[in-house]
Amino acid sequence: DTGVSQDPRHKITKRGQNVTFRCDPISEHNRLYWYRQTLGQGPEFLTYFQNEAQLEKSRLLSDRFSAERPKGSFSTLEIQRTEQGDSAMYLCASSLGDTAEQYFGPGTRLTVT
Amino acid sequence: GNSVTQMEGPVTLSEEAFLTINCTYTATGYPSLFWYVQYPGEGLQLLLKATKADDKGSNKGFEATYRKETTSFHLEKGSVQVSDSAVYFCALSVPGTNDYKLSFGAGTTVTVRA
Repeated sequence: DTGVSQDPRHKITKRGQNVTFRCDPISEHNRLYWYRQTLGQGPEFLTYFQNEAQLEKSRLLSDRFSAERPKGSFSTLEIQRTEQGDSAMYLCASSLGDTAEQYFGPGTRLTVT
Repeated sequence: GNSVTQMEGPVTLSEEAFLTINCTYTATGYPSLFWYVQYPGEGLQLLLKATKADDKGSNKGFEATYRKETTSFHLEKGSVQVSDSAVYFCALSVPGTNDYKLSFGAGTTVTVRA
């Protein structure tokens, strides 16, 4: 399977703990996006990378959130000191070149108790 | 700013019924428009797209026409099947900003009964 993969698929954590999610984009896709989706809502843009450079961050991405894409391949999204409001589905998508046609992974569902 | 408004659900239909999901948008610039579908337990999949006025996107029997004059991109299917049960998202992206990020509507849940 050469689609976008995300790990883990589900994460349950206690408030105040740190969590890290991983996204592996489609090989050779230079752009990688992170979105957050809460129940009953559409995905909301968080941040994106072109190769290894993080080019834009939404105001939704508080200081507790950090994302990296070392070497322009996989990406990680870390949330520090999790809060119950962080409970959501975190989606990763990738694309090639100058196009908005993005391919999405299955998502990581985070539950903060 | 950019935003998408789509018809609230849930929508429940019988097999072979006609489906329409309304989508309107507000955008700075000339957006590209998309419909994504999310089947139960799966990730978002691109269903169809249109990049300029009067373009018609189509796939799997679904169609949507880019209407600049009414800022709309309504999704239609003439005869739905149980397998079309899913959540449908309308989305836009504004080229020229160089980020190509997507702005999504809230989604419309469609259930098709046999």
